[in-house]
Amino acid sequence: GQNIDQPTEMTATEGAIVQINCTYQTSGFNGLFWYQQHAGEAPTFLSYNVLDGLEEKGRFSSFLSRSKGYSYLLLKELQMKDSASYLCAVKKAGTALIFGKGTTLSVSS
Amino acid sequence: SQTIHQWPATLVQPVGSPLSLECTVEGTSNPNLYWYRQAAGRGLQLLFYSVGIGQISSEVPQNLSASRPQDRQFILSSKKLLLSDSGFYLCAFGRGGGSSYEQYFGPGTRLTVT
Repeated sequence: GQNIDQPTEMTATEGAIVQINCTYQTSGFNGLFWYQQHAGEAPTFLSYNVLDGLEEKGRFSSFLSRSKGYSYLLLKELQMKDSASYLCAVKKAGTALIFGKGTTLSVSS
Repeated sequence: SQTIHQWPATLVQPVGSPLSLECTVEGTSNPNLYWYRQAAGRGLQLLFYSVGIGQISSEVPQNLSASRPQDRQFILSSKKLLLSDSGFYLCAFGRGGGSSYEQYFGPGTRLTVT
């Protein structure tokens, strides 16, 4: 079966660092995606990890451990505009993505 | 650069009416194309994907269907809408392979079935 778990909600303050965790159990694994989705809008691509380790892109970093079925998205120097849902998705064999339900992050001043 | 278009942006349809949502991609050839649905309080659910013209794979049984009449055109249809078909419908395309694979979403269509 497929199971992707993320916390439902998180809160943080401007300038802080927040880590959003994602654990997965899927039949087949070809990499893990993180997307950002603002309310009422389409998801936008943040990162894709296929190998173990940390990928850094500016204020955002994503980590993957395939042996543990675990990933996290790290957001540094939080800004109000980072308030959004963050979606973890596993790419199965082939090209289909299986999404978690997303983590809603609220950033306050 | 690649772009993806969806229309309409919003749609209100009565139960039992037909549906046709269109998605087109520009700036790339032979893309992998996907239809997802996001219902209120639920995650993104993959409905259909296509790796080429006329090739459609269905992920969940439902009263929806998909077609790919041209390389960069993907259509989602229904003959009779149900209340449970309400949601945010997103088309996506994938490009690259291996560690270079990326998947991008269109702007979405918000469907309300009344």
